[in-house]
Amino acid sequence: GAGVSQSPSNKVTEKGKDVELRCDPISGHTALYWYRQSLGQGLEFLIYFQGNSAPDKSGLPSDRFSAERTGGSVSTLTIQRTQQEDSAVYLCASSFPGYNSPLHFGNGTRLTVT
Amino acid sequence: KNQVEQSPQSLIILEGKNCTLQCNYTVSPFSNLRWYKQDTGRGPVSLTIMTFSENTKSNGRYTATLDADTKQSSLHITASQLSDSASYICVVSPVSGGYNKLIFGAGTRLAVHP
Repeated sequence: GAGVSQSPSNKVTEKGKDVELRCDPISGHTALYWYRQSLGQGLEFLIYFQGNSAPDKSGLPSDRFSAERTGGSVSTLTIQRTQQEDSAVYLCASSFPGYNSPLHFGNGTRLTVT
Repeated sequence: KNQVEQSPQSLIILEGKNCTLQCNYTVSPFSNLRWYKQDTGRGPVSLTIMTFSENTKSNGRYTATLDADTKQSSLHITASQLSDSASYICVVSPVSGGYNKLIFGAGTRLAVHP
């Protein structure tokens, strides 16, 4: 595909359930990022992958959050035992490595925890 | 603390008019400053990337300026169109911590009315 693809686009789940969010980056982009965006807030960094490894997980808010990337491509963000404060839009971005490479974002997954 | 602050928080203009959005930052030293456009329900899209040594960059009707001495950037939109209605996000890339350490402003929400 031409762009970053995220699925599902919307997810409604009950408090306490686990959810998996998927990101398909642009082919050839070795860097992959997960961000969280709450209403009226700036993007909050969660985790960064270079290839399959995650050199920076500093933004994951708790041990309920985890992410993996396989084959240097698809990434999955998993949230266990969801809480209402996890409700937000989760955005994935990919890029070539380097300081001046633009990030290409997917359209996000809107997660609502009821 | 490294911060990126944008003003105004929101703005309404009439179609065809020009406008200027502001970004003040305290990140130092920095590698580059970026402007992204985010349509409602979509992921951000890169408009411009300026390195610390550049002071202007254009992309069609969008012109970004950078004053590294005063730590200010602006995004000027010329001859606005209804499709310019979106949030505009200023992002600064600090030199320290790696190129994945982007700092996002909260954005300016622009509404263009006919």
